[in-house]
Amino acid sequence: RKEVEQDPGPFNVPEGATVAFNCTYSNSASQSFFWYRQDCRKEPKLLMSVYSSGNEDGRFTAQLNRASQYISLLIRDSKLSDSATYLCVVKGNAGNMLTFGGGTRLMVKP
Amino acid sequence: DGGITQSPKYLFRKEGQNVTLSCEQNLNHDAMYWYRQDPGQGLRLIYYSQIVNDFQKGDIAEGYSVSREKKESFPLTVTSAQKNPTAFYLCASSIEGAGNQPQHFGDGTRLSIL
Repeated sequence: RKEVEQDPGPFNVPEGATVAFNCTYSNSASQSFFWYRQDCRKEPKLLMSVYSSGNEDGRFTAQLNRASQYISLLIRDSKLSDSATYLCVVKGNAGNMLTFGGGTRLMVKP
Repeated sequence: DGGITQSPKYLFRKEGQNVTLSCEQNLNHDAMYWYRQDPGQGLRLIYYSQIVNDFQKGDIAEGYSVSREKKESFPLTVTSAQKNPTAFYLCASSIEGAGNQPQHFGDGTRLSIL
């Protein structure tokens, strides 16, 4: 079983739609969680950290369910510019090592 | 501007040749990392360094070497022992220590075999 698993997609949605991605992780001792965004042939960029109580940043909402060991990202009112690959990233309980999921590709269509 | 600079952007390697990828950061971050990304896949950790003059192997260190003589610099050498070097190489840095510290990435080097 992979340490961090994501549905690779692609998720094809129309502009204005709401879309949600889930990510599961295997290490119950994981401490920190992040969503990164990666555009085609570019480096990953931090989208948002994920806090235990859930957090929101504009149209983006992240949730953490420690009991079920999954993280979610909800995007409301999708824009064309949201088209990218979204990487789920988990940090363990030692050092600052991050484990990356394979990414979920989102394509927002006009 | 503060950031992470990788060079070159594109690199070609001949058979039997060692090549070195540069990574420099002026963020005063303690920790630096090298990842490899293959098409359609996630990032895999090659090497990391939490402090100057110290580094550790990641998940796929075979065929690679690094040095950390200065805080700002963490070059990666792809040796001839790495039989499948074609990939997108990403360098990252972060503030070391516990807590919710994300990593920040350079814009990558694409390495191909001639």
